[in-house]
Amino acid sequence: SQQGEEDPQALSIQEGENATMNCSYKTSINNLQWYRQNSGRGLVHLILIRSNEREKHSGRLRVTLDTSKKSSSLLITASRAADTASYFCATARMDSSYKLIFGSGTRLLVRP
Amino acid sequence: AAGVIQSPRHLIKEKRETATLKCYPIPRHDTVYWYQQGPGQDPQFLISFYEKMQSDKGSIPDRFSAQQFSDYHSELNMSSLELGDSALYFCDSSLPGDKAFFGQGTRLTVV
Repeated sequence: SQQGEEDPQALSIQEGENATMNCSYKTSINNLQWYRQNSGRGLVHLILIRSNEREKHSGRLRVTLDTSKKSSSLLITASRAADTASYFCATARMDSSYKLIFGSGTRLLVRP
Repeated sequence: AAGVIQSPRHLIKEKRETATLKCYPIPRHDTVYWYQQGPGQDPQFLISFYEKMQSDKGSIPDRFSAQQFSDYHSELNMSSLELGDSALYFCDSSLPGDKAFFGQGTRLTVV
């Protein structure tokens, strides 16, 4: 991946548990976005965090950004079986066309 | 609310054929990006357009070309198709630096 790594590559948890996924990137960014993708289907936007922000919440989602470490994390609380999907982080650079550079994704399995 | 529309949703072509994928952005969005996602891979940036001009170019083969029209829709033209071109092709539209809205993608299968 041009972007860096997502960690872990795969995660299996029990329904009701929390899931944490991490993302590292290599360049300075304008913003970082998290997406969800069900098997072979479209990319669903979850949350956008800008480079001057440190934390954002949306429902059961919490995203943090540490620009000094060039890393971000996505926390899904009280997971549900319907959260089973692949999760990607993607960064947009300020000095480019704002194209998104994707991480390699985390495959989350939430067991009922 | 209107979303990004991609057509067709599925496409099957034979090797060496040509394919054209279309993307209709959200109204008032002036920027369109194309991405390719191979099986089990992360999406890879191909090309982008801002105000009908190419704004950036990624790992797009010379066999592929794209353009953005006066109504801001974009078309990705793919010639001399190869088996390795089989992938999910996404476009997204946005305002620069803002949230990206993705279409449902076109699944291209080259046989």
